[in-house]
Amino acid sequence: DAGVTQSPTHLIKTRGQQVTLRCSPKSGHDTVSWYQQALGQGPQFIFQYYEEEERQRGNFPDRFSGHQFPNYSSELNVNALLLGDSALYLCASSLAKGGGYTFGSGTRLTVV
Amino acid sequence: AQRVTQPEKLLSVFKGAPVELKCNYSYSGSPELFWYVQYSRQRLQLLLRHISRESIKGFTADLNKGETSFHLKKPFAQEEDSAMYYCALRGAGNTGKLIFGQGTTLQVKP
Repeated sequence: DAGVTQSPTHLIKTRGQQVTLRCSPKSGHDTVSWYQQALGQGPQFIFQYYEEEERQRGNFPDRFSGHQFPNYSSELNVNALLLGDSALYLCASSLAKGGGYTFGSGTRLTVV
Repeated sequence: AQRVTQPEKLLSVFKGAPVELKCNYSYSGSPELFWYVQYSRQRLQLLLRHISRESIKGFTADLNKGETSFHLKKPFAQEEDSAMYYCALRGAGNTGKLIFGQGTTLQVKP
């Protein structure tokens, strides 16, 4: 079992551009959550997807959007990138009925 | 407000010494508390859940609702315990977000 897979591992973008990050959940998991981890900080919740819908959202602007596909994989989109969006973006999968989360290795986004 | 506080950014101990990583939380209700660990160049992984009341790799953590704490303890630290440790909270009945503390780096010296 490959666990949670995220792509790409690293990405460099220019201010104002748009970016899409991808996540494949652990086999058997149906829920995907996204977190932003700035340097030296703990992960901050962005949003969670279940049954292809956003179920819960953290304190992030509308520039951050997402999608979940029928196979439970998910995308995180960020528009109009700012320098402050530079961070490690983590995907975590889980079961809707509860239990723990399995995290991916993350995508390191650098905005220049 | 929901918040998790880990007061120490760095905890440095010698091998064989006891370890206590502090975690305090703020939540109006009955939360679930977790400890996650991140070893060098590895992904974040679950270490403990308070509802499991288990010991993993010699670590234990007890939820103290009176003090709103969930400190992580180990009687004898090993060099391989060196890692970043995050305390996290999830609201009861809420299968949604985890709220993380800022993390504590544990450094176990030989």
